[in-house]
Amino acid sequence: GAVVSQHPSWVICKSGTSVKIECRSLDFQATTMFWYRQFPKQSLMLMATSNEGSKATYEQGVEKDKFLINHASLTLSTLTVTSAHPEDSSFYICSARDLTPPPEQYFGPGTRLTVT
Amino acid sequence: AQTVTQSQPEMSVQEAETVTLSCTYDTSESDYYLFWYKQPPSRQMILVIRQEAYKQQNATENRFSVNFQKAAKSFSLKISDSQLGDAAMYFCAYRDQGAQKLVFGQGTRLTINP
Repeated sequence: GAVVSQHPSWVICKSGTSVKIECRSLDFQATTMFWYRQFPKQSLMLMATSNEGSKATYEQGVEKDKFLINHASLTLSTLTVTSAHPEDSSFYICSARDLTPPPEQYFGPGTRLTVT
Repeated sequence: AQTVTQSQPEMSVQEAETVTLSCTYDTSESDYYLFWYKQPPSRQMILVIRQEAYKQQNATENRFSVNFQKAAKSFSLKISDSQLGDAAMYFCAYRDQGAQKLVFGQGTRLTINP
């Protein structure tokens, strides 16, 4: 089955620093990847949709300058949280959409970000 | 905008029994997909079952089946012979046929009592 990996699985950073999270589709090509944020005991909140080779589309209320998304290849998308603050602490999940129909979204295992 | 509502924040069931999780959605589209995802304590999202709106037949996957009522915009998940490993958060999700984004419900936490 289709596998999506995320790295790192857990990261702690100091307030004011930036942190990058990678999302890779391991055995399929994904023209579209998605980044979600999940707070404890809540649902997934879509942050942005990234298409390979083009700028990401951000959901309303998501700061594009704070959450930088790059989708440079068909198997890799990155989310960079810039100038992180404690309120950015959360669980970040990526998903990748398979090209073959019906187009499925496969989810990564998530990254826990703690900003101290 | 499409919305998905899961009205049961928590459900519990005895092991080996059957449980049904509810989901309703709102859309003006006629072609779309509906999904149930499972998120166990590991937090890895796992696709449980998918239903295409144009199909009248309810989807089934082993012990998991859905009751898709298109006119009522209802999409419930039935888990038969519940197992301890079924304990998780379950999310109902919607996607327009031509769209990329998933719209998630609030989730239902399912507890399995041994």
